[in-house]
Amino acid sequence: DAKTTQPPSMDCAEGRAANLPCNHSTISGNEYVYWYRQIHSQGPQYIIHGLKNNETNEMASLIITEDRKSSTLILPHATLRDTAVYYCIVRVGAASGTYKYIFGTGTRLKVLA
Amino acid sequence: EAQVTQNPRYLITVTGKKLTVTCSQNMNHEYMSWYRQDPGLGLRQIYYSMNVEVTDKGDVPEGYKVSRKEKRNFPLILESPSPNQTSLYFCASSFGGGSRPGANVLTFGAGSRLTVL
Repeated sequence: DAKTTQPPSMDCAEGRAANLPCNHSTISGNEYVYWYRQIHSQGPQYIIHGLKNNETNEMASLIITEDRKSSTLILPHATLRDTAVYYCIVRVGAASGTYKYIFGTGTRLKVLA
Repeated sequence: EAQVTQNPRYLITVTGKKLTVTCSQNMNHEYMSWYRQDPGLGLRQIYYSMNVEVTDKGDVPEGYKVSRKEKRNFPLILESPSPNQTSLYFCASSFGGGSRPGANVLTFGAGSRLTVL
């Protein structure tokens, strides 16, 4: 199954851009990459997803490499409320009719005042 | 409000006493799934359901059962709970529908913290 690899923790100064990397080298050609975040022990919150093109919404930007083996989530102006665990997720098994979401252990982002 | 509702939010029980954690969604989602979250291990999928009467095992199904008799409900059943099932549990749902953009964005419940003594 496809696996995601993320650094366990990162710090970012308030107001600066936070760039969170993710490696998903075994992702299949038609599967999306999803990003979620979890604040404390609340339910994970959807941020953004993409297939091969860069994506932007009101929360973040997603940069996916041309070979789709990695991606970077960008929070353009991090605030203290962005302190959370960020998960890069791929869904696997579509070809076989199974649908598992592989979460990994995420990156704990701490935004510093 | 579109949401996934889990109950109970907190539960302390004893080994062997059967319990059910309910999950309900009001978004007409076809896909529903259960995850457990343990320190240092992230979220791991227990079971999922593609639609009514269609369920399948995730990565850690041992000790759990599920059923999907109605589209909106997907209860998680622990027939004989053991201390290693002490965890934070999340239910999630999505429209499903293959590779359509956005169809597979998961909406999560608030979580159910279970302690088995």
